[in-house]
Amino acid sequence: EAQVTQNPRYLITVTGKKLTVTCSQNMNHEYMSWYRQDPGLGLRQIYYSMNVEVTDKGDVPEGYKVSRKEKRNFPLILESPSPNQTSLYFCASNHGLAANNEQFFGPGTRLTVL
Amino acid sequence: GESVGLHLPTLSVQEGDNSIINCAYSNSASDYFIWYKQESGKGPQFIIDIRSNMDKRQGQRVTVLLNKTVKHLSLQIAATQPGDSAVYFCAENMEGAQKLVFGQGTRLTINP
Repeated sequence: EAQVTQNPRYLITVTGKKLTVTCSQNMNHEYMSWYRQDPGLGLRQIYYSMNVEVTDKGDVPEGYKVSRKEKRNFPLILESPSPNQTSLYFCASNHGLAANNEQFFGPGTRLTVL
Repeated sequence: GESVGLHLPTLSVQEGDNSIINCAYSNSASDYFIWYKQESGKGPQFIIDIRSNMDKRQGQRVTVLLNKTVKHLSLQIAATQPGDSAVYFCAENMEGAQKLVFGQGTRLTINP
């Protein structure tokens, strides 16, 4: 089944404890992206990647890192999480080198930083 | 379930009626548009897309209309069913831009 998977689905952590949210897609997509979704603010892009070893900042990159060592994986790294990073996070992917094709979304990761 | 927006515009329709959800987009240079459906506790699910060289596109029970003159996008759902209850987002992409810009969403509720 074609899908985007994220792990973990739910995470409660404390300020400053490094964490990684994994994202994997099995559709051989070039483009991958991370979003956060907050009430009243909608979906905002954190980082994106056009292909392996090519990543760039989105609208809200502060406090986050990403890597794209393999085409299928695009982990989101929070080196020192803070409470303002409590949010619902979505990974997405699509064919092509830009965000102008159908983007498939993962199921989401609910992160709470205490 | 997950809260995707505390004060979203809401549209309530009777089961079996047609639903029309509207979206005003921001950038006249945008040339690709998508509608997504998000059910509680799930990620956004693709419904239909349209490029700026078209003004109408139809899918199964859904139609998207694009009016570039007034920067307006609409999603029509025919014969609305209980399973259509969700938050609906429009998104736009400007040629060359590396992201989708999402609207705030509309919550569609179905009355039996």
